[in-house]
Amino acid sequence: ETGVTQTPRHLVMGMTNKKSLKCEQHLGHNAMYWYKQSAKKPLELMFVYSLEERVENNSVPSRFSPECPNSSHLFLHLHTLQPEDSALYLCASSLEGPSEQYFGPGTRLTVT
Amino acid sequence: QKEVEQNSGPLSVPEGAIASLNCTYSDRGSQSFFWYRQYSGKSPELIMFIYSNGDKEDGRFTAQLNKASQYVSLLIRDSQPSDSATYLCAVNADKLIFGTGTRLQVFP
Repeated sequence: ETGVTQTPRHLVMGMTNKKSLKCEQHLGHNAMYWYKQSAKKPLELMFVYSLEERVENNSVPSRFSPECPNSSHLFLHLHTLQPEDSALYLCASSLEGPSEQYFGPGTRLTVT
Repeated sequence: QKEVEQNSGPLSVPEGAIASLNCTYSDRGSQSFFWYRQYSGKSPELIMFIYSNGDKEDGRFTAQLNKASQYVSLLIRDSQPSDSATYLCAVNADKLIFGTGTRLQVFP
């Protein structure tokens, strides 16, 4: 595997479900990010981890819970989501800081 | 509120022409600037970055930066139908701030 991978690629969940998104980077980077992309809106930064420490949380609702067990893996735990949370969730990584970021293929999430 | 502005388009150009994509930003302290290409249903792909005023060329792509005018552009020479995508401008203002993107259509 090369670059940044994400699983699953597609996810449909009910509002009472709990699920997790997984991201793995094979680039030797030290920073990882979660973004949300909705139609007609710019990419929204959700969480930033640098060397496994969370450095930014952009006022994201608590129904989204990130986890970064090491510098190569990032998770986004989801519970009691709302239909408006349906979007493309993108993971990215960078060597350090907000420099060139490389994105994974994304998870298309639909909340029913 | 730090902002990045792009015309949403679509920008339609004929095959072989030069496509010019523009972006303005509000944070005068921004230091680095990025262009991403995003095909429909796919994730953004980094195609260019520029840190200094002036032009930076990479193949058919040229990024231009004017910090005094807070303006960054992307030129695509010899446009091909495969260049049809949404182009996202991103600015490093302590974190990456993205524009909403310009949709480019290259017609044969």
